[in-house]
Formats: sequence, C-alpha cells, structure tokens
Amino acid sequence: KNQVEQSPQSLIILEGKNCTLQCNYTVSPFSNLRWYKQDTGRGPVSLTIMTFSENTKSNGRYTATLDADTKQSSLHITASQLSDSASYICVVTPFSGGGADGLTFGKGTHLIIQP
Amino acid sequence: DSGVTQTPKHLITATGQRVTLRCSPRSGDLSVYWYQQSLDQGLQFLIQYYNGEERAKGNILERFSAQQFPDLHSELNLSSLELGDSALYFCASSPRDGIAKNIQYFGAGTRLSVL
Repeated sequence: KNQVEQSPQSLIILEGKNCTLQCNYTVSPFSNLRWYKQDTGRGPVSLTIMTFSENTKSNGRYTATLDADTKQSSLHITASQLSDSASYICVVTPFSGGGADGLTFGKGTHLIIQP
Repeated sequence: DSGVTQTPKHLITATGQRVTLRCSPRSGDLSVYWYQQSLDQGLQFLIQYYNGEERAKGNILERFSAQQFPDLHSELNLSSLELGDSALYFCASSPRDGIAKNIQYFGAGTRLSVL
C-alpha cells in the first residue's frame, strides 16, 4: 500500500531559526512530489512541485529536496517568520496518472514559530 | 485567494440530518475534487469530477454523494449525519483531468459540526 510518512509530527522553533521537515514515501513509480502549506482553518496552498528527475526546488525561503533512490524528501525553511506557523503536507503523485484517487497524502508536520 | 469559493464557511447541524456543501471552481477549471480533513487526520480524498463526469472515487461513504453541474460548480451532499462526520471539507479545482502535472487549488473549506 502506498504510504507517505512525515516527521516530525510537530515542531516548535524560534523566529529567525531554520528548520527541516521530512517526508518518506513508498509510492513507486511516482510522477511528482508536492509540498503544501496549510494555515489553520484554511485550504492548502502549493509550495513546490518536483518531478522524479529533480533534486531540488526553491520558493523564496522554502527549499525542497528529493532523493528518489531513498524515497525521501525534505522541506527546508530558512530564517523562519511567524507567518510560517502552519501545517506542511507532503503529497506524492503516482506515475500512472489518472484520477486523484492515486494521490497519497502525508498527515503533515505542524510547525509553530515562536517570537 | 485561490479563486475557489466554498459555501457555507461554517455549518452546525444535528445527527441524522442532511446538508449540502457548495463549491465554485476557479474560472476555466474543469476538475473539481472533494476532501475531508478530520482533527489529527490528513486530507482524505472523497471524489473527483471532470467536466460533469465522475472521474475518481476515494473513501467516500455511501451516505455521501456529489455532482458537478453544467456550469462546473459542484455540490457535496452528506446525509444521515453522524458525530464522526464533523470535519473540514475542502473543495479543490484544477484545469485538467490527469493529476500528473495538475496543480490543485484549494478553497477555504467548510467546517461541519454535527451535534
């Protein structure tokens, strides 16, 4: 069964510090891996999308990396800000394409930035 | 603002009742997706429609049904509601059918409370 495991479940860091969130997946073969940011009570917003052939993708202070051999991805947040407090969700798309029933979602990492 | 509109934002109802959640996709998007997000749970895919036709089905209960209308808006009907149906329900839309390269744009969600 395809799975996406994210760690840590929750994380608290001080404003201005860096942090790294992890995503391990078993979906294979896969088409792409996405990271979403979900503010409390809001819908998820796409941060990065990486295909299986890409190693890294940046979006401002957010940098995602992908190691397709070990089936691991990470999301690095640089110089954290209070507005980074949110849940970060990893989503893997299978190579078969097709409908959304193939998407595998992680449960997310809940990040809290303290002033 | 993602361009996806969900109404109502909040809904409080009693067990055994029936409710309808509404979603207007981004202008031009043909695919609509419905997700359920319970406390401490990740996003659970319910159902996808593409241009009025059911495209993919996830873990949607038989008490739940959905449809997409000719103007592309969609409704999710939840009946015989139980306490466990209390959750955030998200609608997302994307331009095309296949998920491989599609970015999903999420609405702000409808928070359903069943008392």
